[in-house]
Amino acid sequence: QSALTQPPSASGSPGQSVTISCTGTSSDVGGYNYVSWYQQHPGKAPKVMIFEVSKRPSGVPDRFSGSKSGNTASLTVSGLQAEDEADYHCSSYGGSNNYVVFGGGTKLTVL
Amino acid sequence: QVQLQESGPGLVKPSETLSLTCTLSGGSISGYFWSWIRQPPGKGLEWIGYIYYSGDTNYNPSLKSRVTISVDTSKNQFSLKLSSVTAADTAVYYCAKVGGTSRFDPWGQGTLVTVSS
Repeated sequence: QSALTQPPSASGSPGQSVTISCTGTSSDVGGYNYVSWYQQHPGKAPKVMIFEVSKRPSGVPDRFSGSKSGNTASLTVSGLQAEDEADYHCSSYGGSNNYVVFGGGTKLTVL
Repeated sequence: QVQLQESGPGLVKPSETLSLTCTLSGGSISGYFWSWIRQPPGKGLEWIGYIYYSGDTNYNPSLKSRVTISVDTSKNQFSLKLSSVTAADTAVYYCAKVGGTSRFDPWGQGTLVTVSS
């Protein structure tokens, strides 16, 4: 399986909204509602922010939202705050062989 | 709340076998799936494989020929072995609990393994 495609970087000013895309295929992103998004600050382990495309774990601010259209999933961060500056990784269940595939990661900069 | 901690050598020689263990605290390994994920320096995440507490496994096809994941329920641990390592296997290795829909939560803090002679 191939890695999911994410833009290497994204940016926005405090208070603005930014959307990060994650493109796969009909065998992974497009075939299942099992897309997750992870936030990773430098030197830290990833933390799940969104699972099953659009669900938020308890404790994750509602400024973070997820969606999917066809083979592309998206993470939107609204009302950007300085602490949102981090790397964001998407992942998807891959189905027939029960594999998991990640994207290459997107570095979000808060200007 | 379950916490995970990776342990093992930080330096492995080329062609040798990388061995890591993940130890759980605050919860039981039974009834769940557990996974290994790695991240080469400055790069994205790569799923290595997962194991059910019963011992059933599934591996990334690109690593399958070199990977073995095992579980020891009596010690609340699961382990990773990666054989015939090269410099390309240098990475931070994470262990994580797998949710029902391939969600990884929580994660261990990660351990850097360098492959070098």
